Amino acid sequence: DGGITQSPKYLFRKEGQNVTLSCEQNLNHDAMYWYRQDPGQGLRLIYYSQIVNDFQKGDIAEGYSVSREKKESFPLTVTSAQKNPTAFYLCASSTLAGSYNEQFFGPGTRLTVL
Amino acid sequence: SQKIEQNSEALNIQEGKTATLTCNYTNYSPAYLQWYRQDPGRGPVFLLLIRENEKEKRKERLKVTFDTTLKQSLFHITASQPADSATYLCSPGAGSYQLTFGKGTKLSVIP
Repeated sequence: DGGITQSPKYLFRKEGQNVTLSCEQNLNHDAMYWYRQDPGQGLRLIYYSQIVNDFQKGDIAEGYSVSREKKESFPLTVTSAQKNPTAFYLCASSTLAGSYNEQFFGPGTRLTVL
Repeated sequence: SQKIEQNSEALNIQEGKTATLTCNYTNYSPAYLQWYRQDPGRGPVFLLLIRENEKEKRKERLKVTFDTTLKQSLFHITASQPADSATYLCSPGAGSYQLTFGKGTKLSVIP
């Protein structure tokens, strides 16, 4: 089955700790994205990547970091510098061809800072 | 700055009726607009895309309109069913690889 996987589904972290969220896709998509969703809020873009070894900041990149060493993988690290990290994190991917890019989303990771 | 407004946070309708959700945008000239469905605790799922030169798009019980003069898209679900209950997100796109999403409208279809 083609799709996007995110792990873990639930993650708990103590304040001051860095944590890495996994995102893998086997859709052969070039572009990948990370969003954050808070209750009653829309999706806010954290980072996106169009090709391997390249990525751009989104609207709320502060306190986050990413890497794109493989086409299939786009892990997100939530650092201790992120002031309010408790949220639902969504990874997505899309083809690069054309500009009408339907995004395919993973199931999400719910991060809770204790 | 770019702004997306979806008509209401929540919409309740009776089963069998047509649900109409509104998406308005400002400071934007999108080339297309997408609609997604999101169930609680899950990622959004793509439903429909409509281009700026298309007035209307249909898929089964779903219909989307796009009025670039009014800067508005309407999303209709005809013969609504309880299984249609979910949050619906609109997302205008302007040709880049980023998508901006509205906050969504939570639709509840009452049996």
